[in-house]
Amino acid sequence: ILNVEQSPQSLHVQEGDSTNFTCSFPSSNFYALHWYRWETAKSPEALFVMTLNGDEKKKGRISATLNTKEGYSYLYIKGSQPEDSATYLCAFGYRGSQGNLIFGKGTKLSVKP
Amino acid sequence: DAGVTQSPTHLIKTRGQHVTLRCSPISGHKSVSWYQQVLGQGPQFIFQYYEKEERGRGNFPDRFSARQFPNYSSELNVNALLLGDSALYLCASSSRDYNEQFFGPGTRLTVL
Repeated sequence: ILNVEQSPQSLHVQEGDSTNFTCSFPSSNFYALHWYRWETAKSPEALFVMTLNGDEKKKGRISATLNTKEGYSYLYIKGSQPEDSATYLCAFGYRGSQGNLIFGKGTKLSVKP
Repeated sequence: DAGVTQSPTHLIKTRGQHVTLRCSPISGHKSVSWYQQVLGQGPQFIFQYYEKEERGRGNFPDRFSARQFPNYSSELNVNALLLGDSALYLCASSSRDYNEQFFGPGTRLTVL
């Protein structure tokens, strides 16, 4: 059974703090690792798609790294703002899946002003 | 451009009933996937359709079925509803297999 683990389950930080989350996934048959940001009552928003070992992606204050050999990815948020409050999901795509994804349970981030 | 749309937004059914959920993909996207998300869990893959053919099926009972129409919209059908089918059902579209998936807002199904 393919399993994706995310930690921590939830995180409470103050505005201005930097934070990071971890996603662990199977290291075999890797195709892609996706990060989504999901605010309550909205659609999950795609942040990054990462396919190569050593990939680093950045969008504004958010960045992500990928290690496919050991099966983990980190998501970093620099200088958290209240609008960053959301659940951050990672999803693993493997060869043979036609791109369908195995999701972790997510990390719920709350940023206090 | 419109994103992925889903209807209805919310739905309440009773055990044993049947439900149909609908999804319209982003214009130009030919692949539609369905996911079920229960409280406290990540979304779980149910079906994928590409060019009107089923390309993948998750570990769900035969009560779950889906289809894709010539305009690439899709329906998810669930028969003989159980309390455990209460969940958020998400639809995602992509231009083709293995490409980035874009999600709709979901349909919240409550089974009483």
